[in-house]
Amino acid sequence: GQNIDQPTEMTATEGAIVQINCTYQTSGFNGLFWYQQHAGEAPTFLSYNVLDGLEEKGRFSSFLSRSKGYSYLLLKELQMKDSASYLCAALDSNYQLIWGAGTKLIIKP
Amino acid sequence: DTGVSQDPRHKITKRGQNVTFRCDPISEHNRLYWYRQTLGQGPEFLTYFQNEAQLEKSRLLSDRFSAERPKGSFSTLEIQRTEQGDSAMYLCASSLVRSGDYNEQFFGPGTRLTVL
Repeated sequence: GQNIDQPTEMTATEGAIVQINCTYQTSGFNGLFWYQQHAGEAPTFLSYNVLDGLEEKGRFSSFLSRSKGYSYLLLKELQMKDSASYLCAALDSNYQLIWGAGTKLIIKP
Repeated sequence: DTGVSQDPRHKITKRGQNVTFRCDPISEHNRLYWYRQTLGQGPEFLTYFQNEAQLEKSRLLSDRFSAERPKGSFSTLEIQRTEQGDSAMYLCASSLVRSGDYNEQFFGPGTRLTVL
């Protein structure tokens, strides 16, 4: 079957760094997405990885290892506004997104 | 604003009533998706369209759910004989997919359905 696993909740301190892990199993693979979702709002796109390695975009970076079925999202210099759920989603062979349940990130001052 | 729009934003209905939601995607996008999301969960795929063709429908979707995209532009999602378990956020997303190229899905603000 197809499955995405990510931690349910994480807590970090303002100004610190946090890494949110995601493992996936899909029928075929065409890339890995990370989305941010604030409470009561729609998901917004953060990153897309299809090749192994690290993609950096400002304070956010995303890493992919296809052989391990593993990705992480790295958030640096955390700000209070980064408190949100972070959704990992893998694109399968039919170009369908298989979604994780999301990781709720709580930022403390 | 040229993003994805959904209407209504909120809908409260009584059990057994029919409801219809509308989604207007980004104009040049050829794919349109419907998802359902409950608290603490990721989006659950319902169905998607490539232009006006409905290419896939989730096995989890009962016969009470139907979706259309008549002219390959806006789409409607209808739920007949609503049940309390249908209460959720219904999200629409669109993307531009070309052979060998995939772009991210852009989400609308969602329609929050409450079935009493």
